[in-house]
Amino acid sequence: EPEVTQTPSHQVTQMGQEVILRCVPISNHLYFYWYRQILGQKVEFLVSFYNNEISEKSEIFDDQFSVERPDGSNFTLKIRSTKLEDSAMYFCASSGRTGNSNQPQHFGDGTRLSIL
Amino acid sequence: KQEVTQIPAALSVPEGENLVLNCSFTDSAIYNLQWFRQDPGKGLTSLLLIQSSQREQTSGRLNASLDKSSGRSTLYIAASQPGDSATYLCASYSGGGADGLTFGKGTHLIIQP
Repeated sequence: EPEVTQTPSHQVTQMGQEVILRCVPISNHLYFYWYRQILGQKVEFLVSFYNNEISEKSEIFDDQFSVERPDGSNFTLKIRSTKLEDSAMYFCASSGRTGNSNQPQHFGDGTRLSIL
Repeated sequence: KQEVTQIPAALSVPEGENLVLNCSFTDSAIYNLQWFRQDPGKGLTSLLLIQSSQREQTSGRLNASLDKSSGRSTLYIAASQPGDSATYLCASYSGGGADGLTFGKGTHLIIQP
């Protein structure tokens, strides 16, 4: 069964450094998302991406964050200057094989980001 | 702003029991509601999605119901097994376009062998 893949599984970075988290969504999906889960807290929506542009973003997704779909398969999340509070599990998701927004979202296994 | 709440936060039952997990949401104007399973340190596995026009969805031993007017959904697990032990999350989708899901904090389920 097709799945969303994320790399790396664990990233350790010094505070203030830039980090790029990578995702390969399910082929033919049209909607892409990033979420984060701080340890012990709810999964939180960060941003959605459709037709090569951001569709929606939460208040968490400030100027330090950016997303990109550099080619036909990858979807990346960049954090420009990491802070301690960015430590979390980051999940990529995709949906809408037919472009229907009522399709389920399928999640990857996540990247655990640890900021030192 | 949508708020999703799950009760109980944790549940421990003997193997073989039927059980119900509860999810409530404050804004009934949802497009769908999705139930996920999360194993420790892992991603989210989609279990069931109920469209706003539906009342129930079934997959194997799982049955999810939706009552939009009261802002509630339940996940029923029949004949529970130790392999069902995980955290179960519900999430509502309210956006007309590509908006994100709003998650509850989950119910941590332990099935005792």
